[in-house]
Amino acid sequence: GQQVMQIPQYQHVQEGEDFTTYCNSSTTLSNIQWYKQRPGGHPVFLIQLVKSGEVKKQKRLTFQFGEAKKNSSLHITATQTTDVGTYFCAGHPTQGGSEKLVFGKGTKLTVNP
Amino acid sequence: DTEVTQTPKHLVMGMTNKKSLKCEQHMGHRAMYWYKQKAKKPPELMFVYSYEKLSINESVPSRFSPECPNSSLLNLHLHALQPEDSALYLCASSQSKGRNTEAFFGQGTRLTVV
Repeated sequence: GQQVMQIPQYQHVQEGEDFTTYCNSSTTLSNIQWYKQRPGGHPVFLIQLVKSGEVKKQKRLTFQFGEAKKNSSLHITATQTTDVGTYFCAGHPTQGGSEKLVFGKGTKLTVNP
Repeated sequence: DTEVTQTPKHLVMGMTNKKSLKCEQHMGHRAMYWYKQKAKKPPELMFVYSYEKLSINESVPSRFSPECPNSSLLNLHLHALQPEDSALYLCASSQSKGRNTEAFFGQGTRLTVV
């Protein structure tokens, strides 16, 4: 079945260091979405990428969608303690049920002040 | 109002109890979802409602029974649950069930089955 792999599973950084999480799908995705879940919280939508090769920026966060629409990355520049949480990628497969959002396993980010 | 409201926030129930989780949104979204999330795992889709009709049931055991009374409300009725059903239950909504629509998640109900 459809699988979305995400690495690393955990990442611990010093405040000010950069952070990147990678997402890879076994099949082509029509879109990729990124969510952030703070400890004890719920997933919060960050962004959606739709076009092949698309790059979007939100302040210190840079999101990329691969040319083949099978992989994506989230890069955070100069992490802050407020960046702590688990980052999930999620996508809708091109084939099959369009309403099913498939989540990656997430990358848990901890930031040492 | 861009909120999805879930009640209760916490629930402890026995294996013989019957309880219900409630979810409400007033964004005019026509797709609503139930997800189950175990610790350190991603959300796992359970049900999708589109225009108040059940669209997807991800082979969820019958002890979980969803209900969509109207376009703003979504319930999850629980009966004869097992301890392994303890988890965070998340409700979400989106404009439609199609692709390219972001999901708004509620704060979840943290369920403990004893």
